[in-house]
Amino acid sequence: GAVVSQHPSWVICKSGTSVKIECRSLDFQATTMFWYRQFPKQSLMLMATSNEGSKATYEQGVEKDKFLINHASLTLSTLTVTSAHPEDSSFYICSATGFGYGYTFGSGTRLTVV
Amino acid sequence: GENVEQHPSTLSVQEGDSAVIKCTYSDSASNYFPWYKQELGKGPQLIIDIRSNVGEKKDQRIAVTLNKTAKHFSLHITETQPEDSAVYFCAANQAGTALIFGKGTTLSVSS
Repeated sequence: GAVVSQHPSWVICKSGTSVKIECRSLDFQATTMFWYRQFPKQSLMLMATSNEGSKATYEQGVEKDKFLINHASLTLSTLTVTSAHPEDSSFYICSATGFGYGYTFGSGTRLTVV
Repeated sequence: GENVEQHPSTLSVQEGDSAVIKCTYSDSASNYFPWYKQELGKGPQLIIDIRSNVGEKKDQRIAVTLNKTAKHFSLHITETQPEDSAVYFCAANQAGTALIFGKGTTLSVSS
């Protein structure tokens, strides 16, 4: 079946620094990738949608200058949290879909900003 | 945009009992309705899905029903086992768009 690899699985960074999270589709071409954020005991909230080669579309309330999304190839999307602050601490999850494939989720990245 | 409501938020059953989780959606254009199981610290795992041209789908102990007229769909788990304990999410979307999730149901199965 379709596999999406997400790295790192967890990261701790200092306030003010940037963190990059990678999401790779291993065995299919991901024409569209989605990024979600999940706070403890809450649901997955959509942050943005990215199509390969295009600028990401951000949901209302998500700062595009803070959460930089790049989807330069059909197998890789990255989310960079810039100038991270403690309130950005969360569980970030990517999802990928492609022609003939459903929605496959990565294993998530636990970000802690100290 | 789509809005998905999910009930109950918590559900406790005895091993061997059945569990039912219900969701409603708002966008009549939605045509794909998956259910995910999420264990602590992990990404969601698809357990079953249904499309709008089907009213019911079953996979061993798990079944999903869809009522397009009422815009609701339900997850049924029979003969529950302790390993079924997890958080379950329903979702809905139109093909190619992002999945919109319900708030989740924490299922606890006690032996």
